[in-house]
Amino acid sequence: GENVEQHPSTLSVQEGDSAVIKCTYSDSASNYFPWYKQELGKGPQLIIDIRSNVGEKKDQRIAVTLNKTAKHFSLHITETQPEDSAVYFCAASRYGNNRLAFGKGNQVVVIP
Amino acid sequence: GAVVSQHPSRVICKSGTSVKIECRSLDFQATTMFWYRQFPKQSLMLMATSNEGSKATYEQGVEKDKFLINHASLTLSTLTVTSAHPEDSSFYICSASLGQGYGYTFGSGTRLTVV
Repeated sequence: GENVEQHPSTLSVQEGDSAVIKCTYSDSASNYFPWYKQELGKGPQLIIDIRSNVGEKKDQRIAVTLNKTAKHFSLHITETQPEDSAVYFCAASRYGNNRLAFGKGNQVVVIP
Repeated sequence: GAVVSQHPSRVICKSGTSVKIECRSLDFQATTMFWYRQFPKQSLMLMATSNEGSKATYEQGVEKDKFLINHASLTLSTLTVTSAHPEDSSFYICSASLGQGYGYTFGSGTRLTVV
């Protein structure tokens, strides 16, 4: 099955700086890659996703890039704010297979 | 957008009792819902896939008689933790998808504490 690796496990950034989280996946047939933000005591919230037919997607301060050849995708958060502090999970799935394979999560701390 | 409602958000129960958690898709029909378990500072672990009108598919190592799943309608799936024990204390989260090729929406989670 799909195996998703996520690095680093913890990331501290100064407010206003950028944060980048990287994930790798093992199944070359995976074609859907969402990113979730989870705040303490809450369920994960989808913040951005990308499909394998595009290499980059942006939504305001958040962007995701996908490299299918290398089988990795990254989340980019620019101009970080304290409210960006949370755990971020990457995931991967294959169209036709509803199962999401999650990375282990990344604790992002934005220092005011 | 797609909204998944999960109740209760917190529950404390005595050891040996059963607890039911509900997961509802509010503005869409979900033929498939998913139940996850999450331990502190860990990722989400898929427990089972709930299919409307049929039996749930459980992941390896998850006891189907312990974690009963019912998906009786296109908008409601329930997870019942039977004969709960302290080791069942965890954060349980459900999710649903609009369908193949669409994203997944998660509920707000249920914090279960068994005393």
